Parts: sequence; structure tokens; C-alpha cells
Amino acid sequence: DAMVIQNPRYQVTQFGKPVTLSCSQTLNHNVMYWYQQKSSQAPKLLFHYYDKDFNNEADTPDNFQSRRPNTSFCFLDIRSPGLGDAAMYLCATSTGRSNEQFFGPGTRLTVL
Amino acid sequence: DQQVKQNSPSLSVQEGRISILNCDYTNSMFDYFLWYKKYPAEGPTFLISISSIKDKNEDGRFTVFLNKSAKHLSLHIVPSQPGDSAVYFCAASGANFGNEKLTFGTGTRLTIIP
Repeated sequence: DAMVIQNPRYQVTQFGKPVTLSCSQTLNHNVMYWYQQKSSQAPKLLFHYYDKDFNNEADTPDNFQSRRPNTSFCFLDIRSPGLGDAAMYLCATSTGRSNEQFFGPGTRLTVL
Repeated sequence: DQQVKQNSPSLSVQEGRISILNCDYTNSMFDYFLWYKKYPAEGPTFLISISSIKDKNEDGRFTVFLNKSAKHLSLHIVPSQPGDSAVYFCAASGANFGNEKLTFGTGTRLTIIP
């Protein structure tokens, strides 16, 4: 089945220790998104790639970086996680021809 | 500044009755609206959408109504089933040309009582 896969599902890191979350897709979609969702809040877009073109949201902290080495994979790097970065991180894809987005199951990040 | 608002954090409905979930938005540039459903430990899944040129879109048990002048949309589920128990997110975007940012509401947790 075509899908969006996120690994790991649960990630624990220490304050200030870099962490990388990964997302892969078998949908062959052009666009990949990263969202942050904190408890009882709306998912918040961090950035997205249209093919190799990177688009950063204006209020995304510099602490968050992303890489998309190929169509299938996209990574979220948090350089120095703080306690406030503990959240669910959702990866999504879209074709680029419709606004409908397809989401992965998310990675829940805990910062100790 | 929350541009998409779901003012009811939770809703309980008897099985077989109608569930009505509401969503308000403030940005008049929004042109396309989507509803997503989310089960625990899963990502949101697309449910139904509506363009601003329509005021109603129906798909089986699910109907979305859009009142553009009031900047309000609602999702109707009839009849409600136990499997409909989930968190429902409303989202809004610019025109449906693709590659548009989605702005989400905070979600409404729907519980269907057997």
C-alpha cells in the first residue's frame, strides 16, 4: 500500500542533544511537509519542499532544519532540542496539484 | 492569532443521531476547506473538502456546509457510528491549485455513544 512512513514513532532525547526524525513516502508525491503539533493545539507547519525547493515558514525557529535527499525521503533535524520542542511531529505529502495532504502517523518527541 | 477556530473541544452524540462539528475562520483569502479525521496513534486522514464556489459537498454519510458570508463551515455525519469516534480537524487554504499551506483548527473530539 502506498503510504507515508515516519521513523521512529517515539523518540526520546536529552536537552541540547541533536535529534533527527525521518519520513519516507511511497506515493511519489512532489511535496513534503513537516508539522509540529503540541497537545490540544493545531498542527503548525514548519516547512515544506516542493521537489528540491525548500520553503521555510517565517516563524520556524532556526533550531529546526530539514533535508530532502531524494523524492522519497525527508528529514527533520533539531539541532539543540529544548523542553519546548517536545511535541508530535507530523510528516505529510501532496501531489502539488491538489491541496489534499496525506499524513504519516507522526513521531512523538520527548525531551528530558 | 488563530485563523481557523474550532470552539468545541469535544462533542458526544448518540449512535444513529446526527453529529455536527463546527469551524469558523477569519481570513477572507481562504478559498478551500478540508476536514481531517484522526484516530489515536495515527496521522490525520482526509475526509472531505469544499471549495468556496460551493455551499455544500456530500460524500456518503458526510456533508460539509460552507457559509462564506459568515466565515463558517460545518461537518454533518448522519447517521453517526461508533467508528466515527475520533478527533476532527478543520483546515483552510488558498485556492486548490496544489502546494498551498493548510491552516488547521485545534480539533474537536467526537465520541459516539452506543
